[in-house]
Amino acid sequence: QKEVEQDPGPLSVPEGAIVSLNCTYSNSAFQYFMWYRQYSRKGPELLMYTYSSGNKEDGRFTAQVDKSSKYISLFIRDSQPSDSATYLCAMSYGNNRLAFGKGNQVVVIP
Amino acid sequence: DSGVTQTPKHLITATGQRVTLRCSPRSGDLSVYWYQQSLDQGLQFLIQYYNGEERAKGNILERFSAQQFPDLHSELNLSSLELGDSALYFCASSVYGGGATDTQYFGPGTRLTVL
Repeated sequence: QKEVEQDPGPLSVPEGAIVSLNCTYSNSAFQYFMWYRQYSRKGPELLMYTYSSGNKEDGRFTAQVDKSSKYISLFIRDSQPSDSATYLCAMSYGNNRLAFGKGNQVVVIP
Repeated sequence: DSGVTQTPKHLITATGQRVTLRCSPRSGDLSVYWYQQSLDQGLQFLIQYYNGEERAKGNILERFSAQQFPDLHSELNLSSLELGDSALYFCASSVYGGGATDTQYFGPGTRLTVL
């Protein structure tokens, strides 16, 4: 079993819809949870990070962590074509060694 | 632009060969990380250096090695290449090398194709 599971299926949504992405993890030692965005032919860039259970909002993006269920989510409200990218969840023990999910390719259709 | 540079952008080589990938971290960053991204395995941590010293090792094969030089640039050496080594190789850098707020900034990657 991989440490971080992210169903790598693509996701196509119409502009303005809510995008919902999630990951599960098996290692309860993970302390920090991140979402990275990766545009085609680019390196990943940090979108959001959190270290506690609950919600964290940043503009149209909300990251949610449920440590008891070992489950994290990312919601994108009012999705835009510029949000089309691959979204990767990542987790860390705190030593900066990141464990990534496989990523979800999101396409927002105008 | 993250400020992390990687060369070359693309590399095509044959099985059994040896290649070197180069990474220059952001100005002021002391830590460099190497990751491999493939369709099968996703993005996997290979190795981390901090200020010239190896800090952490991940799923790095024995055929692979890395080092960080006094000017803080890093090189990843891949030898006895196999078809399965074809992947995107990313370098990332951060200021400290530890801690949740120590953001890793990724370079644009080197695409390696082994024929």
